[in-house]
Amino acid sequence: ELKVEQNPLFLSMQEGKNYTIYCNYSTTSDRLYWYRQDPGKSLESLFVLLSNGAVKQEGRLMASLDTKARLSTLHITAAVHDLSATYFCAVLQGAQKLVFGQGTRLTINP
Amino acid sequence: NAGVTQTPKFRVLKTGQSMTLLCAQDMNHEYMYWYRQDPGMGLRLIHYSVGEGTTAKGEVPDGYNVSRLKKQNFLLGLESAAPSQTSVYFCASSYRGGLIYEQYFGPGTRLTVT
Repeated sequence: ELKVEQNPLFLSMQEGKNYTIYCNYSTTSDRLYWYRQDPGKSLESLFVLLSNGAVKQEGRLMASLDTKARLSTLHITAAVHDLSATYFCAVLQGAQKLVFGQGTRLTINP
Repeated sequence: NAGVTQTPKFRVLKTGQSMTLLCAQDMNHEYMYWYRQDPGMGLRLIHYSVGEGTTAKGEVPDGYNVSRLKKQNFLLGLESAAPSQTSVYFCASSYRGGLIYEQYFGPGTRLTVT
């Protein structure tokens, strides 16, 4: 059974600082997804990582995937308040289903 | 394109009542999914469908039924609602094939069972 774990679950940080969210998963998969969710809203796709060593960047966010370690990271550079949200990673199981992590609630303080 | 839409957006039920949530997508996607989101638990898959007329159980199917009579619609039914089914429900759809298998999510339905 595929399990996906994120840490930390809660993260409070100051603007301008860097931090990393970790996503570990228990069985082999070569598709990993990062989503953002604002309070009361739906999920917004951030990144799709398709292979070992994949790295994608959008603005202050950078995601990477190490399939051998079964680990993905979401790195935040010089955080700004607008990045406050809950971030989910999800791993593809088979060809059809996503298994989600618990989510990381990120709060960025001025 | 409207993408994925869900009806209704909010609903309050009493224990034992029934209801149906409707999900519609206009992207001609083959796969459709129903998830529930509870605090601190991420999204959990209830049921999914890989095509018109087919459905399958996900991680937490008990107490729910689904139907996919048309390719663009996926219905989630609660026959006898329980307080444990208080949650936010998300529908998603995805394209079969290609490399990405990305799922597109609807806006959610907030259900409260009293």
